Amino acid sequence: DTAVSQTPKYLVTQMGNDKSIKCEQNLGHDTMYWYKQDSKKFLKIMFSYNNKELIINETVPNRFSPKSPDKAHLNLHINSLELGDSAVYFCASNQGGENSPLHFGNGTRLTVT
Amino acid sequence: DQQVKQNSPSLSVQEGRISILNCDYTNSMFDYFLWYKKYPAEGPTFLISISSIKDKNEDGRFTVFLNKSAKHLSLHIVPSQPGDSAVYFCAARGNYGGSQGNLIFGKGTKLSVKP
Repeated sequence: DTAVSQTPKYLVTQMGNDKSIKCEQNLGHDTMYWYKQDSKKFLKIMFSYNNKELIINETVPNRFSPKSPDKAHLNLHINSLELGDSAVYFCASNQGGENSPLHFGNGTRLTVT
Repeated sequence: DQQVKQNSPSLSVQEGRISILNCDYTNSMFDYFLWYKKYPAEGPTFLISISSIKDKNEDGRFTVFLNKSAKHLSLHIVPSQPGDSAVYFCAARGNYGGSQGNLIFGKGTKLSVKP
């Protein structure tokens, strides 16, 4: 009955590969996000989707692309992986409206070798 | 250019005592502040929030204080319990019409509550 679930939990891959991280939420929220926690522990927003429409893109490389097949899913595709992409990626969601807090998944630790 | 700063990477407190976690911010446009708690291998969990029109918000053992003139907020946990041991993130949201979920996070403070 996990509210926001993402898979896989760990992902180890080589430079140049293409990989995807999946995210699903069963909270009925209408907005989903991807955050990245880098080696310096900063959590930074990458994307958000509301009703299948991208409403934030914080200048991440275009090798990263979010894909939302429906309101409950927001997957993250990464092409041509680089060493610097190694990080923990968190999916999150919230309900539209004033001051709705984010609900986070447990994160996917991506290691690029 | 960190807009949200948590200058103490760690804090150790005895069980039953008060824990005070501090956070400073630089952007006066921030209008909403949140605290998240994170256990290892889990995602951050929302704890408490405060709007910029208030200076205090309380929820059980947790109280957040906001000093807008000093651009400073703090989280008080009283009494502290061993289960409170976690990393605490301060976050802020701008009022520039962006998404509600576009938060700026600090680096976190690791709280250890000793029995």
